[in-house]
Amino acid sequence: DSGVTQTPKHLITATGQRVTLRCSPRSGDLSVYWYQQSLDQGLQFLIQYYNGEERAKGNILERFSAQQFPDLHSELNLSSLELGDSALYFCASSVQIQDPSGDTQYFGPGTRLTVL
Amino acid sequence: QQQVKQSPQSLIVQKGGISIINCAYENTAFDYFPWYQQFPGKGPALLIAIRPDVSEKKEGRFTISFNKSAKQFSLHIMDSQPGDSATYFCAASGSTGFQKLVFGTGTRLLVSP
Repeated sequence: DSGVTQTPKHLITATGQRVTLRCSPRSGDLSVYWYQQSLDQGLQFLIQYYNGEERAKGNILERFSAQQFPDLHSELNLSSLELGDSALYFCASSVQIQDPSGDTQYFGPGTRLTVL
Repeated sequence: QQQVKQSPQSLIVQKGGISIINCAYENTAFDYFPWYQQFPGKGPALLIAIRPDVSEKKEGRFTISFNKSAKQFSLHIMDSQPGDSATYFCAASGSTGFQKLVFGTGTRLLVSP
């Protein structure tokens, strides 16, 4: 158990809908990362937050947005869903940006999103 | 320059054999190289990591070999077991200031009994 929690575990919805995925980082971790994992594309970095502020963006679509709240939990919002958005969405957390050990990220169990 | 190239895409090894997965990078600013292990339906979990001040790091049956001049690093799994069957991802990042992890594309390992 990494200490990172994600809810819900599974989500089934229809095209055009909007969903919110939730992540609680490990205790003490200030950075939260979101990744998308589909069968043919491996782990795709979406976005990172550090202590409530956006710090980096990856391959995140404009239909997707995220935020990190004062209690450090994070939410990933996916809107106008398309069939191709079906994937596993992982949240990861790390202690801080300048971790001397390197950016050791701890992953949650993921949310499996199915868009029908 | 931000890519990490990983090979092979899939690997089948007999129980007791050695599994070898290779990664290569271009960005010389990378100085932290972790490997993650992912079982089906689970999130990736940190397996072992290395910094370039050493050429090898061993933890149990898992060894990372690092070649700084060639900008390559590899994971060796000795005495591979069926329980090692999983997808393995290499990754790389810098460690000064903010540096996000760049992941390889993954290797699906199957250890046959």
